[in-house]
Amino acid sequence: DQQVKQNSPSLSVQEGRISILNCDYTNSMFDYFLWYKKYPAEGPTFLISISSIKDKNEDGRFTVFLNKSAKHLSLHIVPSQPGDSAVYFCAASETGTASKLTFGTGTRLQVTL
Amino acid sequence: KAGVTQTPRYLIKTRGQQVTLSCSPISGHRSVSWYQQTPGQGLQFLFEYFSETQRNKGNFPGRFSGRQFSNSRSEMNVSTLELGDSALYLCASSLGATLNDYEQYFGPGTRLTVT
Repeated sequence: DQQVKQNSPSLSVQEGRISILNCDYTNSMFDYFLWYKKYPAEGPTFLISISSIKDKNEDGRFTVFLNKSAKHLSLHIVPSQPGDSAVYFCAASETGTASKLTFGTGTRLQVTL
Repeated sequence: KAGVTQTPRYLIKTRGQQVTLSCSPISGHRSVSWYQQTPGQGLQFLFEYFSETQRNKGNFPGRFSGRQFSNSRSEMNVSTLELGDSALYLCASSLGATLNDYEQYFGPGTRLTVT
């Protein structure tokens, strides 16, 4: 039972353009969402997060949007850079169990020149 | 500040054997979580230890166990290895001071291959 889904296994975007990575969840108890970036042979690195009381959170080139009614979140990267090429995981957690993250299967982003 | 370290980085074992993986969290972090990553499954939560006690547990069989020491270092043990246990095992640490301490820092993982 995949409670967090990333339906696009891969995405290719030109440098300078916007990258949009999507994530859907089914568990209505999730109230905190995170995005992690992972390079080969390294552990995931925290990127940005959002609480369910917000619908948007911005950090430099990265913005996460949350649509609670649709149980959908997205990560926007503007402008995309070649160094952004990595696998991106969305993750979700319930209040009181912050350490127990439920991850999606990841989307491989390739930013081309 | 040093990051999360995991040893060994690579391991090859035979079916039926047991294995122990080690994780040293970031200094000052008291919570250590373990995840299994397999192709197509994403990362799946195994368990979390805080102050030497298991605080959260995922849906894995009892063959998977762990412990945490007083210095917050953690070990994970898998007994009676199966081929399906071949995976990247990731450890993550966080301050863990509250149950809403979400930001976790991951180590590079231990790649376990079971033959």
